[in-house]
This record gives sequence, structure tokens and C-alpha cells, in this order.
Amino acid sequence: AQSVSQHNHHVILSEAASLELGCNYSYGGTVNLFWYVQYPGQHLQLLLKYFSGDPLVKGIKGFEAEFIKSKFSFNLRKPSVQWSDTAEYFCAVTLGSGGYQKVTFGTGTKLQVIP
Amino acid sequence: DAGVTQSPTHLIKTRGQQVTLRCSPISGHKSVSWYQQVLGQGPQFIFQYYEKEERGRGNFPDRFSARQFPNYSSELNVNALLLGDSALYLCASSTRGRLAGDFGELFFGEGSRLTVL
Repeated sequence: AQSVSQHNHHVILSEAASLELGCNYSYGGTVNLFWYVQYPGQHLQLLLKYFSGDPLVKGIKGFEAEFIKSKFSFNLRKPSVQWSDTAEYFCAVTLGSGGYQKVTFGTGTKLQVIP
Repeated sequence: DAGVTQSPTHLIKTRGQQVTLRCSPISGHKSVSWYQQVLGQGPQFIFQYYEKEERGRGNFPDRFSARQFPNYSSELNVNALLLGDSALYLCASSTRGRLAGDFGELFFGEGSRLTVL
């Protein structure tokens, strides 16, 4: 069964700092990869996704993620964070084929951006 | 446009009781999935339904059951509640899911927070 590891549980950054959140998955086959975000008091929403093609994926609000197959990683990046990026971020994976819509989530990283 | 709606938003039950949670997907979405999110953890997959058929089940006991209605809304039932069932239950809908690996973006509701005393 696939699993997802997020290395940082709580990250505190000042505004304008650069962000990188780590995500590793364990599954040897074809995967689809996602980052979801949950802003305070709001529901989970999709930030970006990778299905195939260019391993550098751009999402909403200036976020991007790079799929490195050899490292089983899908790290999330943003060059300059804003206070409004304060949220919890979840990395997630689903099998590329042969499976239903089971999404396996990581444990999440809480990002706090200090003005 | 209305997003995924869930009810109730909060509820408190005692051990041994039964609970029913409800979900209305986004209009036009035929797939509904249920997730359990325990405090400090990521959501865990419970069920997926597409066109009223169960398409997948996570590693949850038989006390958990679900169904999808002709209008694509869904209910999650949990019997014989345990303290460990206390969690946020999330419903997600999507347009796709007819075939294995046929995956579309999930749209989540705000969840039903269940507390078991």
C-alpha cells in the first residue's frame, strides 16, 4: 500500500521568506501526486497536481512542486511567502491505474507566516 | 455555485450509539468519497461511491457503512461508536471515477465533527 511522509509538522517563516515543504511517497508504480491546502476555518482545497509530463508543476497563488521520480519526492515550494499563506498543507498520492479514487494523505504541515 | 455540503457540522454521541452523516455533492458530480481526519493526522480514506455503487473501501471496520442515493447525495453510517471514532468526517465529490484510475480533482466539504463521549 502506498504511504506519504511529510517531514515537517510545523514550519514558522517570516513574510518574504522562501518555502519548501518536503513530501516523500512509497510506491514503485505510476502515481498521481497532489498538494492540498486548508486555510484556517476553510475546507481542503487543491493547490496543485501532477499526473504526467513536465515534472515541475505550477499551482495557484505562486506555489509550485517538483516531482523527482528517483527520489520518490514531490516537494512544495514558494519563493516568497505571505501572511495569507498561513495554513495546513497536505501532500497526497493516488495510484496511476488499477485503483479507485483512494487518496492517501500525509500527516500535514502547519505553516505559520509571521508578518 | 454551492460547494459540497455536509450535515450536521458538529455532533456529540456516546459510546455504543449510532450516527448518520450526510453529504450533498456539487451539482453534476457523480462520485462521492468519505474520509476520516483524526486530530493531528491527514484524512484517511473510508469509502468511494460512483453512480450509487461502492468503488472502494479503506481499512475501516464493518461498523462503517455508506450509501449513495439516485440524486448522488450520500450518507455515512457508523454503528456501535467508540471513543476512537471521534474525528472530522470529510466528504469529497468529483466528476470522475467510473473507471479504475480515472481520477479527477476532489472537492471537499467542511466536514462533520463527531465527538464520542
